[in-house]
Amino acid sequence: NAGVTQTPKFQVLKTGQSMTLQCAQDMNHEYMSWYRQDPGMGLRLIHYSVGAGITDQGEVPNGYNVSRSTTEDFPLRLLSAAPSQTSVYFCASSTSGTSGYNEQFFGPGTRLTVL
Amino acid sequence: AQSVTQLGSHVSVSEGALVLLRCNYSSSVPPYLFWYVQYPNQGLQLLLKYTSAATLVKGINGFEAEFKKSETSFHLTKPSAHMSDAAEYFCAVSPYGGATNKLIFGTGTLLAVQP
Repeated sequence: NAGVTQTPKFQVLKTGQSMTLQCAQDMNHEYMSWYRQDPGMGLRLIHYSVGAGITDQGEVPNGYNVSRSTTEDFPLRLLSAAPSQTSVYFCASSTSGTSGYNEQFFGPGTRLTVL
Repeated sequence: AQSVTQLGSHVSVSEGALVLLRCNYSSSVPPYLFWYVQYPNQGLQLLLKYTSAATLVKGINGFEAEFKKSETSFHLTKPSAHMSDAAEYFCAVSPYGGATNKLIFGTGTLLAVQP
């Protein structure tokens, strides 16, 4: 198993450009999520999905779009990049459920700089 | 609502000394609690978790944490620091009995180990 994979590892954008951060998992996990990591702020949840076709907003969703057409993939779209979106982005996946503990597995991250 | 507070954004210890990283949580329901470690330029790795079983939890690499409900704390300790422990450590919380996919992270503690 490759686990959770993210592409690209690094990206530099100009203000106003759009791009998609890719995330894929091969563990058949229902739940996938996107976090951003900023110095002194820890990780904050952007969007999450509990299954194909179902997405919802996290703590900091503004400026980001997601969709979930398959179980394996959960891309994060920046429609018009802003310098405030300079961050490290992590994708995570886990089994889903409201009883018991579901460990989240994190990808290696995408380091995004918006100039 | 839930939150996590990590006291000390930077902690420095000597090799062989005790490591103590502090985490206090706030939760209106019994929580699940986690410690994650992030080595430079890598993703997050689960160190240990509290899921309402034993209050003293042992994790990987010799780390352990004790859940103290009366103090709303979940401090991370290791008796003897090793150079390879230098990393950033994050405490996280999610609601017990609810989806554990929505993790709320603390702001992180960067651990430096001096020779």
